[in-house]
Amino acid sequence: EVQLVESGGVVVQPGGSLRLSCAASGFTFDDYAMHWVRQAPGKGLEWVSLISWDGGSTYYADSVKGRFTISRDNSKNSLYLQMNSLRAEDTALYYCAKVARGYSSSWPFDYWGQGTLVTVSS
Amino acid sequence: DIVMTQSPDSLAVSLGERATINCKSSQSVLYSSNNKNYLAWYQQKPGQPPKLLIYWASTRESGVPDRFSGSGSGTDFTLTISSLQAEDVAVYYCQQYYSTPPFTFGPGTKVDIK
Repeated sequence: EVQLVESGGVVVQPGGSLRLSCAASGFTFDDYAMHWVRQAPGKGLEWVSLISWDGGSTYYADSVKGRFTISRDNSKNSLYLQMNSLRAEDTALYYCAKVARGYSSSWPFDYWGQGTLVTVSS
Repeated sequence: DIVMTQSPDSLAVSLGERATINCKSSQSVLYSSNNKNYLAWYQQKPGQPPKLLIYWASTRESGVPDRFSGSGSGTDFTLTISSLQAEDVAVYYCQQYYSTPPFTFGPGTKVDIK
């Protein structure tokens, strides 16, 4: 059974930093590209970042470019999101999501975690 | 970047009746080399993560009831629930995954029971 479990969400002050983690199991993690998607309270879904199956390619939404860094450790079946210079508008539930087919990024997201809540507030 | 819009913002449908949600992309998401539309639909129930329903605009994900169907091509797409059930109350999002990111989502359509 595929499982994605996010962690690391906390209350942080504006300008602060945070690292989110996503522990994956139930599939061959290093075959699949992975995404981070966020959802502000009561709002819609916003794609945040993508990392290729091998970590060689990364992409970011304009809203987080230069502040967030996505990475993965395939030996630990883990995905990360380093978040720096946090702003109030980064407050959201952060989901990790798996693409539906291996070795490609151009597929939809077939499994999602339950999310971890990041609150940026003084 | 490709911008996704959805209509209506919300709708209320009687049990057993049809629900129709529209999605439009600001540019075509049809890839000519394989004739596939890079368009997916997700369902999100309160307190839950999104669930993939439809991909390639019209292919149902495994386990999704056949009352859900997707149609359209290019820039205009539709999600249809042929006979609304109580468990279908949710917010529905379209998403394009064409070429390089960002893989943008539509703003969502809330479906309720009338």
